[in-house]
Amino acid sequence: AQSVTQLDSQVPVFEEAPVELRCNYSSSVSVYLFWYVQYPNQGLQLLLKYLSGSTLVKGINGFEAEFNKSQTSFHLRKPSVHISDTAEYFCAVKGTGNTGGFKTIFGAGTRLFVKA
Amino acid sequence: DAGITQSPRHKVTETGTPVTLRCHQTENHRYMYWYRQDPGHGLRLIHYSYGVKDTDKGEVSDGYSVSRSKTEDFLLTLESATSSQTSVYFCAIKVTDGAEAFFGQGTRLTVV
Repeated sequence: AQSVTQLDSQVPVFEEAPVELRCNYSSSVSVYLFWYVQYPNQGLQLLLKYLSGSTLVKGINGFEAEFNKSQTSFHLRKPSVHISDTAEYFCAVKGTGNTGGFKTIFGAGTRLFVKA
Repeated sequence: DAGITQSPRHKVTETGTPVTLRCHQTENHRYMYWYRQDPGHGLRLIHYSYGVKDTDKGEVSDGYSVSRSKTEDFLLTLESATSSQTSVYFCAIKVTDGAEAFFGQGTRLTVV
């Protein structure tokens, strides 16, 4: 079974400042890792994903995340945020292949507030 | 957009009544999921399906049932709605050779 912990429920930040949203996971099998973004009154959309290979993953809207296997972390970063980045961000994990099952498990979410 | 449509988008119902939410997809993907979203809990998996008539329970399945008689439709039924089932419900699909999930726009259900 897998689980995900998002360490911050809310992150306020000023426009153009850098931001890091933290995510830790636990799993007994190898995993795929994801970050999703949810804008108000909308569904979730994929921001980026780690499947294999390079541990630094780049996504849409200037976001990137780094997979750290030894620390079981997948933190999301952006060097300079915009007002339009205000949204809720979800970290998610899924076991690879059939041994991991077909289920994607989500964290509780981090609400990012970007202030002018 | 993975061709996912949820209906209805909003519903208010009374405690004790049955409610069915529908998820429809247009691309014949095998895997479909129902999640509920609640503040402080993120998305929690209710049920999922890996083919026609093949379904399994997620982490919060009590009080819910599902059916999948056709590839394109995955129905979520609350047999007797309770106030604790007030939530936003999301349907998702996963393409067969992919890893990530694609989500519908959600259904906001209020049980009064």
